[in-house]
Amino acid sequence: DAKTTQPNSMESNEEEPVHLPCNHSTISGTDYIHWYRQLPSQGPEYVIHGLTSNVNNRMASLAIAEDRKSSTLILHRATLRDAAVYYCILSGGSGTYKYIFGTGTRLKVLA
Amino acid sequence: DARVTQTPRHKVTEMGQEVTMRCQPILGHNTVFWYRQTMMQGLELLAYFRNRAPLDDSGMPKDRFSAEMPDATLATLKIQPSEPRDSAVYFCASGLVQTSGIILYNEQFFGPGTRLTVL
Repeated sequence: DAKTTQPNSMESNEEEPVHLPCNHSTISGTDYIHWYRQLPSQGPEYVIHGLTSNVNNRMASLAIAEDRKSSTLILHRATLRDAAVYYCILSGGSGTYKYIFGTGTRLKVLA
Repeated sequence: DARVTQTPRHKVTEMGQEVTMRCQPILGHNTVFWYRQTMMQGLELLAYFRNRAPLDDSGMPKDRFSAEMPDATLATLKIQPSEPRDSAVYFCASGLVQTSGIILYNEQFFGPGTRLTVL
């Protein structure tokens, strides 16, 4: 299973953009890149996913490097409610769709 | 708003007792996953099912854990006998596997979890 590497923690000021990086140098051609986040005392929730092209949704944007070996989750204006652990996960390659969660990035948003 | 439901939300039991956790996946989803989360190990995949058939339970201690899907609306995770090291939050997730050529895509929807404490 392809692995991902993320910083353990990051801080951001409220109302400012946040760029959360993820390295996945062993990604296969058929792996989707997923981002989930886990708010305190809740289960993980879907944020965004992509394959090759950059993606936007109402929650965030996903920027994928041209070689697909890294990606960045972009929160355009961080709010206090965005404080969570963010997980970058690869899935879909090798005929499997199970997720292997890493340690994620704990995002702290400062008021 | 369709959600994955899990019962019970909290369970405190004594070592050696049997524990059963239940999950109701979102109607129409064809995959169900069981995860365990602890401070030390993070989120670990225990087992998953597709169309009610177990596909992978390699993450599960076989001697005491068992996972089943009696029907499409119910998944169960059983621990017998329970031990203090089983104390954790257990999450169920469901999803709908879709294929695009050879690529499998599956967004997972997580339940609120069952917090298990084994004394």
